[in-house]
Amino acid sequence: ETGVTQSPTHLIKTRGQQVTLRCSSQSGHNTVSWYQQALGQGPQFIFQYYREEENGRGNFPPRFSGLQFPNYSSELNVNALELDDSALYLCASSRPGTVNTGELFFGEGSRLTVL
Amino acid sequence: DQQVKQNSPSLSVQEGRISILNCDYTNSMFDYFLWYKKYPAEGPTFLISISSIKDKNEDGRFTVFLNKSAKHLSLHIVPSQPGDSAVYFCATYFQGAQKLVFGQGTRLTINP
Repeated sequence: ETGVTQSPTHLIKTRGQQVTLRCSSQSGHNTVSWYQQALGQGPQFIFQYYREEENGRGNFPPRFSGLQFPNYSSELNVNALELDDSALYLCASSRPGTVNTGELFFGEGSRLTVL
Repeated sequence: DQQVKQNSPSLSVQEGRISILNCDYTNSMFDYFLWYKKYPAEGPTFLISISSIKDKNEDGRFTVFLNKSAKHLSLHIVPSQPGDSAVYFCATYFQGAQKLVFGQGTRLTINP
């Protein structure tokens, strides 16, 4: 059983650019969530997708958007990048039996640096 | 508005002794309380959880205690081992919001 995989692992962008981060969920997991972890902080919830629909959103502006595909893989898109968007972006999936308990399986993350 | 707080950024414990990590929360509506462990260059890994209707849950060397009146959560690790050295995040989960709310993390170092 493969785990949650994310790509790219590291990337550097400049202010104003757009970025797409990708995630492959763990096999059998139909819910995917994205979190942003700034340096020295805990992860912050961006949004969750279930059956290709957004199923909850945190306090992030609309320039943060996402997609979930039929194979449960997912993308996080961020437009008009700002310096404060520099962070580790974590993708997490949950299996049908534990989706309401908070037990998530996280990928290693994509570290974004905005210059 | 920090709903979940871990007031100790770091903790150092001797191998074989007990490690106690603490967490405070403000919202009484949470359904589950969880602990995640994070090694460098890895994503957080689920460690143990407790339902809001319980006050203790045990899994091997790890025990989580929930004090609802004090809105306080703690994780006990006994005995502590060098492999336990990591950053530990407490998190709360509210089923209505479908999201985890994390604390800032505590870096635990186990000394040989």
